[in-house]
Amino acid sequence: QKEVEQNSGPLSVPEGAIASLNCTYSDRGSQSFFWYRQYSGKSPELIMSIYSNGDKEDGRFTAQLNKASQYVSLLIRDSQPSDSATYLCAVNENMRFGAGTRLTVKP
Amino acid sequence: GAVVSQHPSWVICKSGTSVKIECRSLDFQATTMFWYRQFPKQSLMLMATSNEGSKATYEQGVEKDKFLINHASLTLSTLTVTSAHPEDSSFYICSARDPWGAGYEQYFGPGTRLTVT
Repeated sequence: QKEVEQNSGPLSVPEGAIASLNCTYSDRGSQSFFWYRQYSGKSPELIMSIYSNGDKEDGRFTAQLNKASQYVSLLIRDSQPSDSATYLCAVNENMRFGAGTRLTVKP
Repeated sequence: GAVVSQHPSWVICKSGTSVKIECRSLDFQATTMFWYRQFPKQSLMLMATSNEGSKATYEQGVEKDKFLINHASLTLSTLTVTSAHPEDSSFYICSARDPWGAGYEQYFGPGTRLTVT
């Protein structure tokens, strides 16, 4: 089992819709979780960090963490074409990234 | 957020030569830096963890004699690809951990695209 797994996609949503990205992890002791966005040919940039169970909102982004089920998700509300990128889930205790989910937002 | 720079942004070298890539944390001191490699359409693969003043910890399958990492100061880590071969052509990205962050936030450099001919 991979340490961090993401639905590989690609995921396509229309502009204005909600995009839902999911990630599961294997190490039950993990405490820090991150979502990064990577545009093609660029390095990743940090979008959200979450440490406690529940939801954390930042603008159009909401991260959800459920440690009992070992999953973390990212919701993007009112998706824009500029959100089209690969989204990487990271569990930072072990510095491992998921394979990433490629999101396309269609105008 | 914290700023990490990398130099060069791209480099082309001949097979058999060595290439050095620099990673700098510009506005914070990073005791820990990380080196990743990314092939086209693939995810980031952690190569090694670099700790200031000590030897780097390499991931399984990464040749420590080929990928030399030095973290001589709190703001600079270098990766040297020795005797480069075409299969080493990749996007190399460093990141640094912000020691004052709430958790384990990593901030990434812009990456170095290496092409070995």
